[in-house]
Amino acid sequence: GDSVTQMEGPVTLSEEAFLTINCTYTATGYPSLFWYVQYPGEGLQLLLKATKADDKGSNKGFEATYRKETTSFHLEKGSVQVSDSAVYFCAGETGGFKTIFGAGTRLFVKA
Amino acid sequence: NAGVTQTPKFQVLKTGQSMTLQCAQDMNHEYMSWYRQDPGMGLRLIHYSVGAGITDQGEVPNGYNVSRSTTEDFPLRLLSAAPSQTSVYFCASSYASGSASSYEQYFGPGTRLTVT
Repeated sequence: GDSVTQMEGPVTLSEEAFLTINCTYTATGYPSLFWYVQYPGEGLQLLLKATKADDKGSNKGFEATYRKETTSFHLEKGSVQVSDSAVYFCAGETGGFKTIFGAGTRLFVKA
Repeated sequence: NAGVTQTPKFQVLKTGQSMTLQCAQDMNHEYMSWYRQDPGMGLRLIHYSVGAGITDQGEVPNGYNVSRSTTEDFPLRLLSAAPSQTSVYFCASSYASGSASSYEQYFGPGTRLTVT
């Protein structure tokens, strides 16, 4: 069946470091892909999305490119801030509006 | 817009008790879902609805019931609580956006449930 696999955390970085969180998906067809972010004590919120191959989603300095050939959607940011500390979830649509989520990657950014 | 609201924020139940987690959205979204979040397992779909009067099971439906009598409300009922249902529960709503009809989810703040 469909699945989303993302790198395990936690990931600990210093402020202004480069961030990559890997995500690969297995699905029938080419679903829309998403990154969601969860700040402490809150629900998930959409960070960015891509709806077709080679699309790049971007928001708040984060970006991810939908790579059909490697079935990947890695999240990157050039310079992280302490305020980026959160849990990041990769997700993909699997049949209409239903969404499957990865296990989440916790990011800690130190000042 | 309040978005997606959930009550209560916290709840402690004894094994065997029943309760209803409330969820409401004011965005007129067709689709609504309930997820549970457990450490290391991401979010797992419990039940979902594609419109008023229509519900279906997700990945982990056992021990839970839902109904959708209006577009706005989608309550989740725990029939007889068990310690395995200790989790954080999120309600989400969704609609088809853009020409590619992608379905981004809008989440409530969650209910943290402990069953002793």
